[in-house]
Amino acid sequence: AQSVTQPDIHITVSEGASLELRCNYSYGATPYLFWYVQSPGQGLQLLLKYFSGDTLVQGIKGFEAEFKRSQSSFNLRKPSVHWSDAAEYFCAVGAQTGANNLFFGTGTRLTVIP
Amino acid sequence: EAGVAQSPRYKIIEKRQSVAFWCNPISGHATLYWYQQILGQGPKLLIQFQNNGVVDDSQLPKDRFSAERLKGVDSTLKIQPAKLEDSAVYLCASSLEGTSVYYEQYFGPGTRLTVT
Repeated sequence: AQSVTQPDIHITVSEGASLELRCNYSYGATPYLFWYVQSPGQGLQLLLKYFSGDTLVQGIKGFEAEFKRSQSSFNLRKPSVHWSDAAEYFCAVGAQTGANNLFFGTGTRLTVIP
Repeated sequence: EAGVAQSPRYKIIEKRQSVAFWCNPISGHATLYWYQQILGQGPKLLIQFQNNGVVDDSQLPKDRFSAERLKGVDSTLKIQPAKLEDSAVYLCASSLEGTSVYYEQYFGPGTRLTVT
């Protein structure tokens, strides 16, 4: 069965600093991997996704993520954080076959300080 | 393009009462999902519809939760009777048909339910 672990519940970074959010997954085959962002009172917005091919994927808002099969990881990065990036970030894994549904991690809350 | 619409945005009820949530997906999206997001957790799929048929409802507590998608468009999720542990945000999402190829899911703003 699929599962996702986000080991950091809460991260605080200074505006302009770099960011890395960790995500580890468990899946028997090559998974589909996603990062979503959720601002307060808002639904989830897709930042980026990995299906196959280049292991470094670019997303919206300047985010990128790298798929590392050997480490079962899909960490999210941003070189310079903006105050508007403060939100909850969810990593998710989807099965390549079946019902197209997603399994989410528990999320990492990002606080950005001036 | 209009996004996924949900109503109400907030609902407070007492335990053992019933409640219903409504979702209108993006036009043309055949697949509709209902997720439950308990505070401090990630969303958990409750039920997935393909048009008006159920694809996956394995995580739906069927003794108290029910959902329908009449005419393959709007959907309602009902809880009857509600328990304290049902307090959560209920998210609706939609996508193009997604049983063989993955399509991006678009999420609505959610309905925050508080059961007292």
